[in-house]
Amino acid sequence: DTGVSQNPRHKITKRGQNVTFRCDPISEHNRLYWYRQTLGQGPEFLTYFQNEAQLEKSRLLSDRFSAERPKGSFSTLEIQRTEQGDSAMYLCASSLSLGSPHEKLFFGSGTQLSVL
Amino acid sequence: SQQGEEDPQALSIQEGENATMNCSYKTSINNLQWYRQNSGRGLVHLILIRSNEREKHSGRLRVTLDTSKKSSSLLITASRAADTASYFCATDADQGAQKLVFGQGTRLTINP
Repeated sequence: DTGVSQNPRHKITKRGQNVTFRCDPISEHNRLYWYRQTLGQGPEFLTYFQNEAQLEKSRLLSDRFSAERPKGSFSTLEIQRTEQGDSAMYLCASSLSLGSPHEKLFFGSGTQLSVL
Repeated sequence: SQQGEEDPQALSIQEGENATMNCSYKTSINNLQWYRQNSGRGLVHLILIRSNEREKHSGRLRVTLDTSKKSSSLLITASRAADTASYFCATDADQGAQKLVFGQGTRLTINP
């Protein structure tokens, strides 16, 4: 169990550029979540996958955001035409869901995005 | 909008003292969880309490849940400098929901 891995740890980009983040969940976990966190706030849900299926997307996830989880393993989160308001910590979490509502999330260390 | 609201937003105490943080939520839940976050890092799960439980202990942590008041508290006893972190409560926003909704957190500072 190597934990949830996120790359890169930091990303600085210019407004209008596209960025892509990667998350490698714990290998046997079937669920993968993306959250966004701004300074002084709690994580806000963006989207989640069960295996390769994207089952829910938040209204926070505009058309410029897209997430994928090919083959139900790692996931990528892409932001197109970045805006300064996209600056935040992007957190990935995974869990093993056996159909019970009682599951805990394992978080990665996050990718800190700064849009200049 | 966020489901949980933590109180206080910030708490500063001396090492060795007990720290109590509160969380209120709005809808029915299956469970409530507490997470800890060190500055610039991801969140770490601390404890989960189910809706049919009233109290749970884990080491120096004690969590209570009052579903009639839609509130929970996290008590850290005999605090240490290493407990300095932000603490978040999280709930499944409604029964059957597949995601956790987090509060804004309590920033805890333990002074040596």
